Amino acid sequence: GAGVSQSPSNKVTEKGKDVELRCDPISGHTALYWYRQSLGQGLEFLIYFQGNSAPDKSGLPSDRFSAERTGGSVSTLTIQRTQQEDSAVYLCASSLDDLDSYNSPLHFGNGTRLTVT
Amino acid sequence: AQKVTQAQTEISVVEKEDVTLDCVYETRDTTYYLFWYKQPPSGELVFLIRRNSFDEQNEISGRYSWNFQKSTSSFNFTITASQVVDSAVYFCALSAGSSNTGKLIFGQGTTLQVKP
Repeated sequence: GAGVSQSPSNKVTEKGKDVELRCDPISGHTALYWYRQSLGQGLEFLIYFQGNSAPDKSGLPSDRFSAERTGGSVSTLTIQRTQQEDSAVYLCASSLDDLDSYNSPLHFGNGTRLTVT
Repeated sequence: AQKVTQAQTEISVVEKEDVTLDCVYETRDTTYYLFWYKQPPSGELVFLIRRNSFDEQNEISGRYSWNFQKSTSSFNFTITASQVVDSAVYFCALSAGSSNTGKLIFGQGTTLQVKP
């Protein structure tokens, strides 16, 4: 079946602009995660959605970052007033989130490469 | 504190050589999961293996094998008879606590280059 889909694959934006990054998880996966991969910081957890529970936002680096997940499926990560240090690859992942299932590990998308000029 | 250390930044081997990628983790939780992911040049992170803290049995999958040792807090990954297609960045990751397995702490990654 289809994997995790992210769009756009590349985004170039000017400093100060807002951007929205989209993620379509694997059908049937209840858990959705956003990670960021940058040269200086490696792979960092940003936010986690599980069903109707309140999201775990503990990894968001500032209040300029927010994310929504509508209908338990598609998610949008929004970065307001982008800064150059926001430049990174933003990775989305989904999982069944069943600790007893071998499918519970994360399945990642190809990411969105964000460049803030 | 929870941490994953991959001390090897880059490794270069010639095809058919065996290579071991080291991973050392830190956690105070008694329940945790360890993972290895592969990131080829295409960029997508590919899941390789998950291990829980109660299962120290080593695992072999084709040319890949993993050695989990709680005594040394290590979860090393060996590729036997390496191939050019194994060239990638490999990440070790930790998920601690019982809440979920998806909030991962990643190591900095080891770039493996396999030369023909």
